[in-house]
Amino acid sequence: QVQLVESGGGVVQPGRSLRLSCAASGFTFINYGIHWVRQAPGKGLEWVAVLWSDGRNNYYADSVKGRFTVSRDNSRNTHYLQMNSLRAEDTALYYCARADGHLEKDHFDYWGQGTLVSVSS
Amino acid sequence: QSALTQPASGSGSPGQSITISCTGTSSDVGTYGLVSWYQQHPGKAPKLIIYEGSKRPSGVSNRFSASKSGNTASLTISGLQTEDEADYYCCSYAGGSTWVFGGGTKLTVL
Repeated sequence: QVQLVESGGGVVQPGRSLRLSCAASGFTFINYGIHWVRQAPGKGLEWVAVLWSDGRNNYYADSVKGRFTVSRDNSRNTHYLQMNSLRAEDTALYYCARADGHLEKDHFDYWGQGTLVSVSS
Repeated sequence: QSALTQPASGSGSPGQSITISCTGTSSDVGTYGLVSWYQQHPGKAPKLIIYEGSKRPSGVSNRFSASKSGNTASLTISGLQTEDEADYYCCSYAGGSTWVFGGGTKLTVL
């Protein structure tokens, strides 16, 4: 069965960096892109970034552009979200979700359980 | 990348139907329209319930249906059940390989 498991969250000071991981199993890893979606405490969902199945094309929300970078390691079936220059407003539960479809037809068919990032001094 | 507009809350009694709206702009819902909908129970990850505007994934009840008119998409839940009590989010492609979610609707089944 499809499984996505996030890890790497924690408490970090403003301005510091953190790398989240999303370990995938149960499907052909290289055939799917992965989105990152976050949810601030008590708030709604916010789309953060996507890395397409080609492993090269990546796109970001304006709120994280220039600070966050997505990548993947095919040998480990793992996607990464590198978060630099973290701000208090980046505090959230970060989900990875599988991309099923493309562009306007894309949707997030499987989700991980999330990993919590808290940015605080 | 402004969030799509959803009512903050909604409610209904078991057996009733309820419709949740999701209003965007001509830059997202109005142009691309293939909105997806997600159900999130407290402390759980979101679950896909509608994709490509009106399609249901395998295993999702046919009590869930969706449609779109202009810049507004709608999710209808018929025959409300207590387990439908959850938060519901719409999501639309917004161009440039970016996506935007609605603010979420908290559904209470009375």
